Amino acid sequence: QSALTQPASVSGSPGQSITISCTGSSRDIGASNYVSWYQQYPGEAPKLVIYDVNRRPSGISNRFSASKSGSAASLTISGLQAEDEANYFCGSYTRGDTLVFGTGTMVTV
Amino acid sequence: QVQLVESGGGVVQPGRSLRLSCVVSGFSFNSYGMHWLRQAPGKGLEWVAVISYDGRVKYYADSVKGRFTISRDSSKNTLYLQMNSLRPEDKGVYYCAKEYTQIVVTWATDHRGHGTEVSVSS
Repeated sequence: QSALTQPASVSGSPGQSITISCTGSSRDIGASNYVSWYQQYPGEAPKLVIYDVNRRPSGISNRFSASKSGSAASLTISGLQAEDEANYFCGSYTRGDTLVFGTGTMVTV
Repeated sequence: QVQLVESGGGVVQPGRSLRLSCVVSGFSFNSYGMHWLRQAPGKGLEWVAVISYDGRVKYYADSVKGRFTISRDSSKNTLYLQMNSLRPEDKGVYYCAKEYTQIVVTWATDHRGHGTEVSVSS
């Protein structure tokens, strides 16, 4: 199972919105309602920001939203803030009852 | 608070075995599925295996199927990963991770440990 494809980096100015893509296939994102997104600062454990394609865990800002279309998922961060500068990666359940992660995207504010 | 502490890593020769442990606290271990993840040097995160809250259902990555076994002991609040026939490509830091939702596996994790390092070399 190959890793899901994400852009290496995305940048934006404070207050703007950015969108990070996560591209898979009909065997993973295209076949799954279990897509998740994580935020990770250097040297720290990842933090879950989205699960089940578009649901936010308790305590996660509503500036984070996500969706899925076909074999691709996306994470949007609105009202970009300095604290949003981190690495973001996606994850998806696959038809083979496995989990595959994305390559990761560095967000620069 | 939620804590997960892995142990059992080390340096082993190809073909040998290791058993990793993950002791958890701060949540109801009996109610959550658990995952093992790994990260090789300079590589991305790779999922290894998952076990359901009751231990009845287990799934594995193709790269470890038939060689690794995930298990859990609720009486000890401990998750295990038995790794047999180790290969050089199994090298990396191994993390245990807790499912976000109770009972149902939704393939999203909200806590993980600091990891234990495994190196396979002759």
